[in-house]
Amino acid sequence: EPEVTQTPSHQVTQMGQEVILRCVPISNHLYFYWYRQILGQKVEFLVSFYNNEISEKSEIFDDQFSVERPDGSNFTLKIRSTKLEDSAMYFCAIPADGLHGYTFGSGTRLTVV
Amino acid sequence: SQQGEEDPQALSIQEGENATMNCSYKTSINNLQWYRQNSGRGLVHLILIRSNEREKHSGRLRVTLDTSKKSSSLLITASRAADTASYFCATWITGRRALTFGSGTRLQVQP
Repeated sequence: EPEVTQTPSHQVTQMGQEVILRCVPISNHLYFYWYRQILGQKVEFLVSFYNNEISEKSEIFDDQFSVERPDGSNFTLKIRSTKLEDSAMYFCAIPADGLHGYTFGSGTRLTVV
Repeated sequence: SQQGEEDPQALSIQEGENATMNCSYKTSINNLQWYRQNSGRGLVHLILIRSNEREKHSGRLRVTLDTSKKSSSLLITASRAADTASYFCATWITGRRALTFGSGTRLQVQP
């Protein structure tokens, strides 16, 4: 059973639509991260979330993005008005063992058309 | 070059051979990690080496770190077809709270 479950595994959306990507870790974690990977490119940091607040964010994480922990266990990444260039794999991650290793979810493939 | 440049970009070897991948970085780090990614899947943490360590082993994996040269290498010994994947180095930069990934090496192990 995976430690981090992401839903949906694949989402296709029209440009300009809002999407919500969900992540559920098995156990409670204070730290939480979102990364994205455009097809064939490197994994890019989006945002870190600590104790229900954004800890750090990259320049990619602009006003179109937001993160929430709506019910104390799920984590969500919302893109308000999707653009074609938002098409990518989106990964959530949690600290693995206290030594800064991560456990990644299996990802959500977002396709904006 | 950017933080976390890897070479080669692609590597094709025969089963049983060793595979060596290199990673260079630019800034001071707390640790360096290697991840594996099968096509279209998530990333799997392989090994972490701290900035005060020079070498670490885990099964068929051997990682070295040279902080004076700001470089690391990942050696996979006695490769298997199942090792076919992309391998990424990632650095935990001093003062930040997020990993910075390299561009990856695509390893193909021919059976």
